[in-house]
Amino acid sequence: QQPVQSPQAVILREGEDAVINCSSSKALYSVHWYRQKHGEAPVFLMILLKGGEQKGHDKISASFNEKKQQSSLYLTASQLSYSGTYFCGTELNYGGSQGNLIFGKGTKLSVKP
Amino acid sequence: ETGVTQTPRHLVMGMTNKKSLKCEQHLGHNAMYWYKQSAKKPLELMFVYNFKEQTENNSVPSRFSPECPNSSHLFLHLHTLQPEDSALYLCASSQVYSGSGELFFGEGSRLTVL
Repeated sequence: QQPVQSPQAVILREGEDAVINCSSSKALYSVHWYRQKHGEAPVFLMILLKGGEQKGHDKISASFNEKKQQSSLYLTASQLSYSGTYFCGTELNYGGSQGNLIFGKGTKLSVKP
Repeated sequence: ETGVTQTPRHLVMGMTNKKSLKCEQHLGHNAMYWYKQSAKKPLELMFVYNFKEQTENNSVPSRFSPECPNSSHLFLHLHTLQPEDSALYLCASSQVYSGSGELFFGEGSRLTVL
């Protein structure tokens, strides 16, 4: 049931774009994205509910393809501050307990000057 | 204090010791969680408390015992742990049913079992 993230790691130069994918073999109710910098707590980025909506803020956006049970996180014109490990967390059913997430193994993103 | 605070930040214990991890949230949330984060493994949900009631025990060994005395405090009692239990233990809180679904994590308690 654990979602599969790809790629496992990516190295970018400042200003380059990246896409991180999160795929599930199960039907999803929602997909959550978090970023964790080394030695820090994971920080919430956004949540996408089934329905295929796309969300974003600043230069980070995400989409959810309900038919494919896949979500993609788009990082545009990357900045040094984007470095960290990105996790997707999936929720299979809405039970109100929106923290019962199954997380992927993470994608380590490194942005170089 | 704001957010979610965890103590201690670092803990070293022997396999026969008994210790506890503490988590406190100052956000007024109604749900709290324990997650385990090991090297090269995904975040693993251990326990969930909604409105102080345990609603999830994700097949966690009995050597881990959670306690939630009120909606702001969460403990993880540890006894006779194994070296493979060494990990970062993260506490989180959220507002279920009426919230955005966002989990607020503490900075974690780094546990080393000798």
